[in-house]
Amino acid sequence: DMKVTQMPRYLIKRMGENVLLECGQDMSHETMYWYRQDPGLGLQLIYISYDVDSNSEGDIPKGYRVSRKKREHFSLILDSAKTNQTSVYFCASSLEQGNTEVFFGKGTRLTVV
Amino acid sequence: AQKVTQTQTSISVMEKTTVTMDCVYETQDSSYFLFWYKQTASGEIVFLIRQDSYKKENATVGHYSLNFQKPKSSIGLIITATQIEDSAVYFCAMREDTNAYKVIFGKGTHLHVLP
Repeated sequence: DMKVTQMPRYLIKRMGENVLLECGQDMSHETMYWYRQDPGLGLQLIYISYDVDSNSEGDIPKGYRVSRKKREHFSLILDSAKTNQTSVYFCASSLEQGNTEVFFGKGTRLTVV
Repeated sequence: AQKVTQTQTSISVMEKTTVTMDCVYETQDSSYFLFWYKQTASGEIVFLIRQDSYKKENATVGHYSLNFQKPKSSIGLIITATQIEDSAVYFCAMREDTNAYKVIFGKGTHLHVLP
């Protein structure tokens, strides 16, 4: 069906709580990404995963970690969430070839209070 | 260094007119791919159109077309006969052949199509 699915879509957490954002894709894409989007800042890359257990920091990895145990599934974990991690988080996937487009999930709106 | 710059933060146009959104990029690679994506009011981000650096012809898909000016490192998105539903944020992006994993996005241009 060619889609990226994110769960949950909305989440409210208290400062200091742990947060798990889940993402799945049904296209067998090798590469998966986590971005956050804040007003005026565009899409900022948090982590990139090249395949199972092969992950690399993006531009803003501090405060985040990821897990990819299956090709179709990529998780973003916030240990002890902070208020400045309030944002919209997008998961995305693509084939590894440069001439292919990136497919995005619908986003998770996380509010840390 | 790789970089994608969209200088127009917001554009307003009347319905049924043509609009061009600008994007300039920086790359050391001789082979790269340029993309435009649309983010709707619901937040969904979808791929619109792609230009391969080695192709001289401008890509066209439906009422979207590109103005690829390689010597100026520029890839403009042209939307003809704009419709209200074209109102969205448009992102320009680049992938290089030698480091295809990394996708570099511009900060986006917010297009408002007015009735």
